Amino acid sequence: GAGVSQSPRYKVTKRGQDVALRCDPISGHVSLYWYRQALGQGPEFLTYFNYEAQQDKSGLPNDRFSAERPEGSISTLTIQRTEQRDSAMYRCASSFKGSGELFFGEGSRLTVL
Amino acid sequence: AQSVTQPDIHITVSEGASLELRCNYSYGATPYLFWYVQSPGQGLQLLLKYFSGDTLVQGIKGFEAEFKRSQSSFNLRKPSVHWSDAAEYFCAVGDVIKAAGNKLTFGGGTRVLVKP
Repeated sequence: GAGVSQSPRYKVTKRGQDVALRCDPISGHVSLYWYRQALGQGPEFLTYFNYEAQQDKSGLPNDRFSAERPEGSISTLTIQRTEQRDSAMYRCASSFKGSGELFFGEGSRLTVL
Repeated sequence: AQSVTQPDIHITVSEGASLELRCNYSYGATPYLFWYVQSPGQGLQLLLKYFSGDTLVQGIKGFEAEFKRSQSSFNLRKPSVHWSDAAEYFCAVGDVIKAAGNKLTFGGGTRVLVKP
């Protein structure tokens, strides 16, 4: 596609529910990144993939968070048993291998009630 | 560990006036530095980046930034601000991993308001 596409754009859920956030990167981009951005703060790294391999998941806050990219294209970030503190904007980005430039999607805003 | 500090949370500037946004970083090696802009309801857009070479880099929308190693700074400037420049600006430092990833650490952002 023309840009990084994320869905849903907005998600409101009740505490304890599981949510899945989807990212469709720019076609041909090898690397895919997930970031989380709390209100009034900069984005914080969660995890990234090269092709289908998860290279670094050091930013995932705890084991309720997981991500996959099974075919090296679309990725899903899953949050199990959501808590209110999980409320944030979740941003996906992709890049050419070695380009140094990340292209960001518009984000998925998660609100946990 | 790398870190980025943007000392100014908010800046208000008159249209046509100059703008400078401060960014200080902490990084153990030669940094890869970026400025991104986030307009309301939009994703983050890259304004400019510094990898090596000339320490004054030009970006889109008339922005430029200067890398000063001695001050660990990468300040963003624009000579004459337009109303459309009202947005939030993020400085970031990259950890370019040999496996060709680019794990960025972002500052907290500076929100720019433009007065008519």
